[in-house]
Amino acid sequence: DSGVTQTPKHLITATGQRVTLRCSPRSGDLSVYWYQQSLDQGLQFLIQYYNGEERAKGNILERFSAQQFPDLHSELNLSSLELGDSALYFCASSGNSGHEQFFGPGTRLTVL
Amino acid sequence: GQSLEQPSEVTAVEGAIVQINCTYQTSGFYGLSWYQQHDGGAPTFLSYNALDGLEETGRFSSFLSRSDSYGYLLLQELQMKDSASYFCAVRDNNYGQNFVFGPGTRLSVLP
Repeated sequence: DSGVTQTPKHLITATGQRVTLRCSPRSGDLSVYWYQQSLDQGLQFLIQYYNGEERAKGNILERFSAQQFPDLHSELNLSSLELGDSALYFCASSGNSGHEQFFGPGTRLTVL
Repeated sequence: GQSLEQPSEVTAVEGAIVQINCTYQTSGFYGLSWYQQHDGGAPTFLSYNALDGLEETGRFSSFLSRSDSYGYLLLQELQMKDSASYFCAVRDNNYGQNFVFGPGTRLSVLP
């Protein structure tokens, strides 16, 4: 158990819909990262938050957005969903060094 | 741009030693990590190299050569539970020191 929690575990929705994925980092970690893992794209970095502020962006689509709240939990919002958005979405957290990231169990999103 | 290459599959027998190579191209290299992921599971951190040389952690070792843009993960005394995917990941200054992951190497350990 990494100490990072994610909800829900599974999500099935239809194209055009909007969903919210939730992540709680390990106790004491200020950084939260979101990743997308699909069969053909591997593990892709989406976005990082540090202590409530956006720190860096990766390959995140404009239809996707995220935020980190004062209690440090984070949410990833995916809108206007397309079939190609079906993937595993992982949240990770880290301490100040940043080089050791602890991944949550992931949310499997299926868009029908 | 940024690219990482790893072998897609490696097979070895229990008790053997296996080396998984990773080559990378980036203008913003900061460090190299390795992660293990079992089927249906989350990636788990194995090692991080920021400087050239070998880092050893139990049965696993990781090596980095910055001049060759190359690293490897060495797994010794292989066990069945080591069957998993292994990802190298470059920590990249072009992404705010975040990680760009390689495509992964699927290791199968046979009895």
